[in-house]
Amino acid sequence: AQTVTQSQPEMSVQEAETVTLSCTYDTSESDYYLFWYKQPPSRQMILVIRQEAYKQQNATENRFSVNFQKAAKSFSLKISDSQLGDAAMYFCAYRTILIYNQGGKLIFGQGTELSVKP
Amino acid sequence: DAGVTQSPTHLIKTRGQQVTLRCSPKSGHDTVSWYQQALGQGPQFIFQYYEEEERQRGNFPDRFSGHQFPNYSSELNVNALLLGDSALYLCASSLRGLNTEAFFGQGTRLTVV
Repeated sequence: AQTVTQSQPEMSVQEAETVTLSCTYDTSESDYYLFWYKQPPSRQMILVIRQEAYKQQNATENRFSVNFQKAAKSFSLKISDSQLGDAAMYFCAYRTILIYNQGGKLIFGQGTELSVKP
Repeated sequence: DAGVTQSPTHLIKTRGQQVTLRCSPKSGHDTVSWYQQALGQGPQFIFQYYEEEERQRGNFPDRFSGHQFPNYSSELNVNALLLGDSALYLCASSLRGLNTEAFFGQGTRLTVV
């Protein structure tokens, strides 16, 4: 069974600085998806960035980028130029590749609470 | 596009009672998944529905059941509520067979007293 681990319950960053959130996972599959979701106090999960395991290039979305180390099963999120609106709970999640009209389930880590100091 | 909508947003129930939560998926999506998120924890997969049938199930007792309607909306039912069922219940919709993202609703906060 796949597992996802986030070892940092809380992180703090100064506004405009850079912060990195860590995530490790365990799987025997060779191809899969990894995600970072943001959950603000409004509770709605918002997709931040996604990475497909077969793609060697690290995904980037504006100020958000990942460091994907497949052999080490590590998937960290880097937030550059942190903004007050980045303060939220961040979850790392795993999903198998969908085939034959399957609907995939997400496996989440425990989350990292990010605070941004002005 | 209204996205994924869940109702109600909050509710309080007494131990032993039954509760029904509702979810309307994002337009064009045919698959609905339900997750339970305890306070301070990551969401845990309960089950998933498409073509009006339960397709996958997580490690939850039979007290948790669901339904999907022809219009793809879904219900989550929990019988014989326990204090430990207090949590945020999230619904996510997606399009099966395609490796696209799942969209989440804002959840229903259930408190069992």
